[in-house]
Amino acid sequence: AQRVTQPEKLLSVFKGAPVELKCNYSYSGSPELFWYVQYSRQRLQLLLRHISRESIKGFTADLNKGETSFHLKKPFAQEEDSAMYYCARGGSNYKLTFGKGTLLTVNP
Amino acid sequence: GAGVSQTPSNKVTEKGKYVELRCDPISGHTALYWYRQSLGQGPEFLIYFQGTGAADDSGLPNDRFFAVRPEGSVSTLKIQRTERGDSAVYLCASTLFGGGYNEQFFGPGTRLTVL
Repeated sequence: AQRVTQPEKLLSVFKGAPVELKCNYSYSGSPELFWYVQYSRQRLQLLLRHISRESIKGFTADLNKGETSFHLKKPFAQEEDSAMYYCARGGSNYKLTFGKGTLLTVNP
Repeated sequence: GAGVSQTPSNKVTEKGKYVELRCDPISGHTALYWYRQSLGQGPEFLIYFQGTGAADDSGLPNDRFFAVRPEGSVSTLKIQRTERGDSAVYLCASTLFGGGYNEQFFGPGTRLTVL
Protein backbone atom coordinates (compact mmCIF):
# COMPACT_ATOMS: atom_id res chain seq x y z
CA ALA A 1 0.00 0.00 0.00
CA GLN A 2 1.12 3.53 -0.68
CA ARG A 3 2.30 5.42 2.36
CA VAL A 4 3.11 9.05 2.99
CA THR A 5 5.01 9.90 6.13
CA GLN A 6 5.28 13.29 7.72
CA PRO A 7 7.49 12.73 10.75
CA GLU A 8 6.74 16.04 12.49
CA LYS A 9 3.31 16.68 13.95
CA LEU A 10 4.30 20.15 15.06
CA LEU A 11 6.88 22.60 13.81
CA SER A 12 7.52 26.00 15.30
CA VAL A 13 9.82 28.65 13.83
CA PHE A 14 10.33 32.36 14.15
CA LYS A 15 9.37 34.83 11.46
CA GLY A 16 12.17 35.19 8.94
CA ALA A 17 13.70 31.82 9.72
CA PRO A 18 13.95 29.05 7.13
CA VAL A 19 11.39 26.30 7.33
CA GLU A 20 11.40 22.74 6.03
CA LEU A 21 8.47 20.37 6.36
CA LYS A 22 9.46 16.79 5.76
CA CYS A 23 7.64 14.27 3.66
CA ASN A 24 8.67 10.74 2.68
CA TYR A 25 6.74 8.35 0.49
CA SER A 26 6.83 4.63 -0.13
CA TYR A 27 8.68 3.79 -3.29
CA SER A 28 6.68 2.82 -6.34
CA GLY A 29 7.57 3.89 -9.87
CA SER A 30 7.09 7.54 -10.70
CA PRO A 31 5.03 9.17 -7.99
CA GLU A 32 2.79 12.18 -8.33
CA LEU A 33 3.30 14.31 -5.23
CA PHE A 34 1.52 17.31 -3.81
CA TRP A 35 1.47 19.64 -0.86
CA TYR A 36 -1.92 20.76 0.43
CA VAL A 37 -2.42 23.47 3.04
CA GLN A 38 -5.25 24.25 5.42
CA TYR A 39 -5.27 27.69 7.02
CA SER A 40 -7.28 28.26 10.16
CA ARG A 41 -11.02 28.00 9.49
CA GLN A 42 -10.46 27.51 5.76
CA ARG A 43 -10.78 24.49 3.55
CA LEU A 44 -8.01 22.28 2.32
CA GLN A 45 -6.35 23.70 -0.79
CA LEU A 46 -3.56 22.77 -3.14
CA LEU A 47 -0.27 24.55 -2.46
CA LEU A 48 1.93 22.98 -5.09
CA ARG A 49 2.57 19.82 -7.08
CA HIS A 50 5.95 18.43 -8.01
CA ILE A 51 5.22 18.13 -11.71
CA SER A 52 4.73 21.86 -12.19
CA ARG A 53 8.02 22.77 -10.48
CA GLU A 54 6.57 26.09 -9.41
CA SER A 55 7.05 28.23 -6.36
CA ILE A 56 3.89 29.24 -4.56
CA LYS A 57 3.95 31.82 -1.77
CA GLY A 58 7.71 31.36 -1.65
CA PHE A 59 7.46 27.61 -1.04
CA THR A 60 9.27 25.05 -3.14
CA ALA A 61 9.46 21.28 -2.98
CA ASP A 62 11.90 19.03 -4.76
CA LEU A 63 11.26 15.40 -5.49
CA ASN A 64 14.24 13.27 -4.43
CA LYS A 65 13.66 9.78 -5.78
CA GLY A 66 16.81 8.43 -4.17
CA GLU A 67 15.62 9.39 -0.71
CA THR A 68 11.90 9.04 -1.61
CA SER A 69 11.33 12.49 -0.20
CA PHE A 70 9.37 15.59 -1.16
CA HIS A 71 10.24 18.12 1.51
CA LEU A 72 8.58 21.54 1.47
CA LYS A 73 10.88 24.51 1.99
CA LYS A 74 10.72 28.25 2.38
CA PRO A 75 13.77 30.39 3.05
CA PHE A 76 12.03 33.05 5.15
CA ALA A 77 8.87 32.07 7.01
CA GLN A 78 6.05 34.57 7.46
CA GLU A 79 3.39 34.62 10.17
CA GLU A 80 0.70 34.05 7.54
CA ASP A 81 2.35 30.72 6.70
CA SER A 82 1.03 29.30 9.97
CA ALA A 83 -1.24 26.45 8.93
CA MET A 84 -1.63 22.70 8.67
CA TYR A 85 0.37 21.21 5.82
CA TYR A 86 -0.35 17.85 4.24
CA CYS A 87 1.86 15.97 1.85
CA ALA A 88 -0.09 13.78 -0.56
CA ARG A 89 0.59 11.21 -3.22
CA GLY A 90 -1.54 10.50 -6.25
CA GLY A 91 -2.64 6.96 -6.96
CA SER A 92 -4.91 5.02 -9.25
CA ASN A 93 -7.92 7.05 -10.42
CA TYR A 94 -6.01 10.10 -9.21
CA LYS A 95 -7.14 9.59 -5.65
CA LEU A 96 -4.85 11.07 -3.03
CA THR A 97 -3.08 9.40 -0.13
CA PHE A 98 -2.30 11.95 2.54
CA GLY A 99 0.21 12.07 5.33
CA LYS A 100 -0.94 12.90 8.84
CA GLY A 101 0.02 16.53 8.46
CA THR A 102 2.38 18.99 10.13
CA LEU A 103 1.10 21.99 12.02
CA LEU A 104 3.41 24.90 11.30
CA THR A 105 3.47 27.82 13.66
CA VAL A 106 5.44 30.91 12.72
CA ASN A 107 6.08 33.07 15.75
CA PRO A 108 6.54 36.84 15.54
CA GLY B 1 -17.84 31.04 -8.93
CA ALA B 2 -19.02 28.98 -6.02
CA GLY B 3 -16.76 26.32 -4.67
CA VAL B 4 -17.61 22.85 -3.44
CA SER B 5 -20.31 22.96 -0.80
CA GLN B 6 -21.25 20.34 1.77
CA THR B 7 -24.27 20.03 3.99
CA PRO B 8 -24.78 19.83 6.84
CA SER B 9 -21.66 21.41 8.28
CA ASN B 10 -22.20 19.51 11.50
CA LYS B 11 -24.20 16.39 12.22
CA VAL B 12 -24.69 14.80 15.62
CA THR B 13 -26.41 11.45 15.71
CA GLU B 14 -26.85 8.49 17.97
CA LYS B 15 -25.22 5.13 17.54
CA GLY B 16 -27.24 2.94 15.25
CA LYS B 17 -28.89 5.76 13.33
CA TYR B 18 -28.76 6.42 9.58
CA VAL B 19 -27.17 9.60 8.18
CA GLU B 20 -26.83 11.25 4.81
CA LEU B 21 -24.12 13.74 3.91
CA ARG B 22 -24.45 15.87 0.81
CA CYS B 23 -21.84 17.28 -1.55
CA ASP B 24 -22.41 19.87 -4.28
CA PRO B 25 -19.36 19.93 -6.56
CA ILE B 26 -18.18 22.80 -8.70
CA SER B 27 -20.40 23.08 -11.74
CA GLY B 28 -18.98 21.17 -14.68
CA HIS B 29 -16.62 19.02 -12.63
CA THR B 30 -17.14 15.44 -13.66
CA ALA B 31 -14.96 13.77 -11.04
CA LEU B 32 -15.95 13.69 -7.38
CA TYR B 33 -14.12 12.20 -4.40
CA TRP B 34 -15.12 11.51 -0.83
CA TYR B 35 -12.51 11.42 1.93
CA ARG B 36 -12.77 10.88 5.66
CA GLN B 37 -10.54 12.66 8.16
CA SER B 38 -10.34 11.30 11.66
CA LEU B 39 -8.85 13.30 14.49
CA GLY B 40 -5.10 13.70 14.11
CA GLN B 41 -5.03 12.03 10.71
CA GLY B 42 -4.86 13.17 7.14
CA PRO B 43 -7.82 12.68 4.83
CA GLU B 44 -8.37 9.06 3.74
CA PHE B 45 -9.93 8.16 0.43
CA LEU B 46 -13.38 6.60 0.46
CA ILE B 47 -14.89 6.63 -3.03
CA TYR B 48 -14.47 8.22 -6.45
CA PHE B 49 -17.16 9.03 -9.00
CA GLN B 50 -16.61 9.72 -12.65
CA GLY B 51 -19.93 11.07 -13.83
CA THR B 52 -22.74 9.04 -12.32
CA GLY B 53 -20.81 5.86 -11.67
CA ALA B 54 -18.62 4.91 -8.75
CA ALA B 55 -15.33 4.22 -10.52
CA ASP B 56 -13.46 3.29 -7.36
CA ASP B 57 -15.06 2.45 -4.02
CA SER B 58 -12.04 0.65 -2.59
CA GLY B 59 -11.80 3.03 0.36
CA LEU B 60 -15.26 2.39 1.80
CA PRO B 61 -14.59 0.71 5.16
CA ASN B 62 -17.54 -1.68 5.08
CA ASP B 63 -20.99 -2.21 3.64
CA ARG B 64 -22.59 0.28 6.01
CA PHE B 65 -21.18 3.00 3.79
CA PHE B 66 -22.69 3.78 0.42
CA ALA B 67 -22.61 6.77 -1.91
CA VAL B 68 -24.58 7.83 -4.94
CA ARG B 69 -24.37 10.48 -7.62
CA PRO B 70 -27.50 9.85 -9.70
CA GLU B 71 -27.27 12.81 -12.08
CA GLY B 72 -23.53 13.23 -12.20
CA SER B 73 -23.51 16.32 -10.03
CA VAL B 74 -24.65 16.24 -6.39
CA SER B 75 -23.44 13.25 -4.38
CA THR B 76 -24.76 11.78 -1.16
CA LEU B 77 -22.74 9.67 1.23
CA LYS B 78 -24.96 7.37 3.25
CA ILE B 79 -23.98 5.65 6.46
CA GLN B 80 -26.20 3.00 7.99
CA ARG B 81 -26.18 1.84 11.61
CA THR B 82 -23.65 4.47 12.59
CA GLU B 83 -20.96 3.58 15.09
CA ARG B 84 -18.89 5.81 17.34
CA GLY B 85 -15.85 5.06 15.20
CA ASP B 86 -17.56 6.74 12.25
CA SER B 87 -17.09 10.11 13.96
CA ALA B 88 -14.89 12.18 11.68
CA VAL B 89 -14.89 15.04 9.20
CA TYR B 90 -16.16 13.88 5.83
CA LEU B 91 -14.64 15.81 2.94
CA CYS B 92 -15.77 16.03 -0.62
CA ALA B 93 -13.59 17.16 -3.52
CA SER B 94 -14.29 17.70 -7.19
CA THR B 95 -12.12 18.14 -10.23
CA LEU B 96 -12.28 18.47 -13.95
CA PHE B 97 -11.36 15.10 -15.30
CA GLY B 98 -8.83 15.51 -18.04
CA GLY B 99 -6.97 12.29 -17.62
CA GLY B 100 -4.36 13.76 -15.36
CA TYR B 101 -3.79 15.10 -11.91
CA ASN B 102 -6.06 18.08 -12.06
CA GLU B 103 -6.38 20.03 -8.85
CA GLN B 104 -8.93 18.60 -6.46
CA PHE B 105 -11.05 21.36 -4.93
CA PHE B 106 -12.23 20.52 -1.45
CA GLY B 107 -15.39 21.41 0.35
CA PRO B 108 -15.48 22.61 3.95
CA GLY B 109 -16.42 19.19 5.23
CA THR B 110 -19.18 17.74 7.37
CA ARG B 111 -18.25 17.00 10.95
CA LEU B 112 -20.09 13.85 12.01
CA THR B 113 -20.33 13.00 15.67
CA VAL B 114 -21.82 9.68 16.68
CA LEU B 115 -22.79 9.56 20.36
